[in-house]
Amino acid sequence: NAGVTQTPKFRVLKTGQSMTLLCAQDMNHEYMYWYRQDPGMGLRLIHYSVGEGTTAKGEVPDGYNVSRLKKQNFLLGLESAAPSQTSVYFCASSRRGDYGYTFGSGTRLTVV
Amino acid sequence: GQQLNQSPQSMFIQEGEDVSMNCTSSSIFNTWLWYKQDPGEGPVLLIALYKAGELTSNGRLTAQFGITRKDSFLNISASIPSDVGIYFCAGLNYGGSQGNLIFGKGTKLSVKP
Repeated sequence: NAGVTQTPKFRVLKTGQSMTLLCAQDMNHEYMYWYRQDPGMGLRLIHYSVGEGTTAKGEVPDGYNVSRLKKQNFLLGLESAAPSQTSVYFCASSRRGDYGYTFGSGTRLTVV
Repeated sequence: GQQLNQSPQSMFIQEGEDVSMNCTSSSIFNTWLWYKQDPGEGPVLLIALYKAGELTSNGRLTAQFGITRKDSFLNISASIPSDVGIYFCAGLNYGGSQGNLIFGKGTKLSVKP
C-alpha cells in the first residue's frame, strides 16, 4: 500500500522554465491537496480538489495551476518558474469529511 | 487570513523529560489536529480532536481541545530520541470547507540522549 506518491523527489529549474509535479494516491480518496513548506512559514495551501475534474484555489495559488483528470492523480504545474517558488512541495489526500490528511514525502524544488 | 500561533518555535530537551506545546487562534475552531514531521518526510497525523474540552491520548502523546475552542495543547511524556521532528497543529473553523485546514508554523523538537 503506497499511500501518496510524489514525483520527482528533487528538481532544479532555471527561472522561466516550466514543470509539472505529479501526485498519485491509491487509497481512493476523494480530496487531494497541494501545499508548499518554507522555513518558518509552516504549510500553506496552494490548490485543492474535492473530486475528479474539480479544483479550487488555496491560500497561495498565484503562479501555479492544477489539474485532476483522474481521481487518483493531482498535478501541480509551474508555467514560468521564479526563485520565489523555491520550496518543498507536499501533496496530501483525504476521504470526504476526514481531516486526517495523508501526506506524500515531498518534492524539493530549487529555482535558480 | 486566519493564523494559528504555535509555541514554542523550538525546544531542546533531555531524553526522559516531558514536553508541552500549544497552539492558539483569535478565531474559533471546530477541529484541531496534531501532526509530526520527520526530517525529509511529510507530516503524519498524531491526534485529531473534534469536541471542545476533549482530551485524547495516543501512547505517550496527549492532546486537548481547549474549552474556548481557540486553543489546543500537545504533551509528550518521557521523551525518547525518535520524538525528534517538527510538530504542527492544524485547525478547521466553523463554516470552513475541507480545503480550509490551517496549519501552525511548527514546533521543532530536539532530544538529547
